Amino acid sequence: GQSLEQPSEVTAVEGAIVQINCTYQTSGFYGLSWYQQHDGGAPTFLSYNALDGLEETGRFSSFLSRSDSYGYLLLQELQMKDSASYFCAVRTGNKLTFGGGTRVLVKP
Amino acid sequence: EAGVAQSPRYKIIEKRQSVAFWCNPISGHATLYWYQQILGQGPKLLIQFQNNGVVDDSQLPKDRFSAERLKGVDSTLKIQPAKLEDSAVYLCASSPVGGEDKNIQYFGAGTRLSVL
Repeated sequence: GQSLEQPSEVTAVEGAIVQINCTYQTSGFYGLSWYQQHDGGAPTFLSYNALDGLEETGRFSSFLSRSDSYGYLLLQELQMKDSASYFCAVRTGNKLTFGGGTRVLVKP
Repeated sequence: EAGVAQSPRYKIIEKRQSVAFWCNPISGHATLYWYQQILGQGPKLLIQFQNNGVVDDSQLPKDRFSAERLKGVDSTLKIQPAKLEDSAVYLCASSPVGGEDKNIQYFGAGTRLSVL
């Protein structure tokens, strides 16, 4: 089977940096995705890592280590609008399996 | 470009009743997914279609859930009869088979189902 572990909740202040770790166990691994979901909203795509290393997109960066079955999402220069749940998801074939999500609360 | 459309947004039913949800994916997206998201959890894949064929329905409770995508475009998900534990948000997503966006799933706003 597949399993993903990520912290349930993180709290930080505006302007801070937050790192959300994700460890996974799966077979047939293609890559690791990250999605953001605001309360009552739809999950929206943030990033996808198929190869080891860091991918940077604006204030958000994502990292993958295939040998360690580990990845993280880095949120920099936190803003109030970043308060949301963040999900890592492993891609096997054309299928995504989501973790339980990390709720990020940004305080002024 | 229009996004993934879902209806209804909200539905309240009593246990043992039936309910149906509708999804229209992004135009040209061959792959369509239905997920169940229970409050406080991540989305769980129920069924995946490519065009009008089922790719994966291993987590679909087939005794009560059914889904179809007859013309390879829009899709319906049905629950009959509903149980209390079916209370959740039902999300539809779509993705293209190839191209730059093949690794991205685009989600609709979901249908929030409450079973009383």
